[in-house]
Amino acid sequence: QKEVEQDPGPLSVPEGAIVSLNCTYSNSAFQYFMWYRQYSRKGPELLMYTYSSGNKEDGRFTAQVDKSSKYISLFIRDSQPSDSATYLCAMSRDNYGQNFVFGPGTRLSVLP
Amino acid sequence: GAVVSQHPSWVICKSGTSVKIECRSLDFQATTMFWYRQFPKQSLMLMATSNEGSKATYEQGVEKDKFLINHASLTLSTLTVTSAHPEDSSFYICSARDGSGTGLNGYTFGSGTRLTVV
Repeated sequence: QKEVEQDPGPLSVPEGAIVSLNCTYSNSAFQYFMWYRQYSRKGPELLMYTYSSGNKEDGRFTAQVDKSSKYISLFIRDSQPSDSATYLCAMSRDNYGQNFVFGPGTRLSVLP
Repeated sequence: GAVVSQHPSWVICKSGTSVKIECRSLDFQATTMFWYRQFPKQSLMLMATSNEGSKATYEQGVEKDKFLINHASLTLSTLTVTSAHPEDSSFYICSARDGSGTGLNGYTFGSGTRLTVV
């Protein structure tokens, strides 16, 4: 079993839809849960992160962590064509880069 | 915001030759640089971590004599794939940690290099 699993998609949704992206993990030591967005031919950029359990909201984006189920989600409300990108989840037991574990990413297309 | 410039963005080389990939932090000092490799539909996998002026620390299973990493300055790190073979074809990407950055916001990725060995 891989440490972090993520459906690679691709996922296509109409503009304005609510998008749900998910990752599961197996290592209960993970405390930091990150979501990166990667546009074509660009490097991943940190979208948002949470520490331990709970929700975090930033504009149209909401990150949720359920440590009991080892499941994290990223919700995008009122999705826009500009949200079309690959979304990678990443996790770590601390905030040291050498310990980040990434999912393979989900490719999202928001159709106008 | 912080920018890491990675070159080349793609390269095709013949089997047996060496390829050098550069990552430069343009507006900050990168005290630590991370090099990743990503095969199609798979996750970013950390290959090595390097601190400026020190030898790189390689992850288990990564050949240090094949993947030479140099981090001679606070703004430049290079990865050289020596004696490349077709199985080295992959997407290579660097990430730099800003020495003055805090927490998870202090990491900036390059845009990646697509290496194809023929």
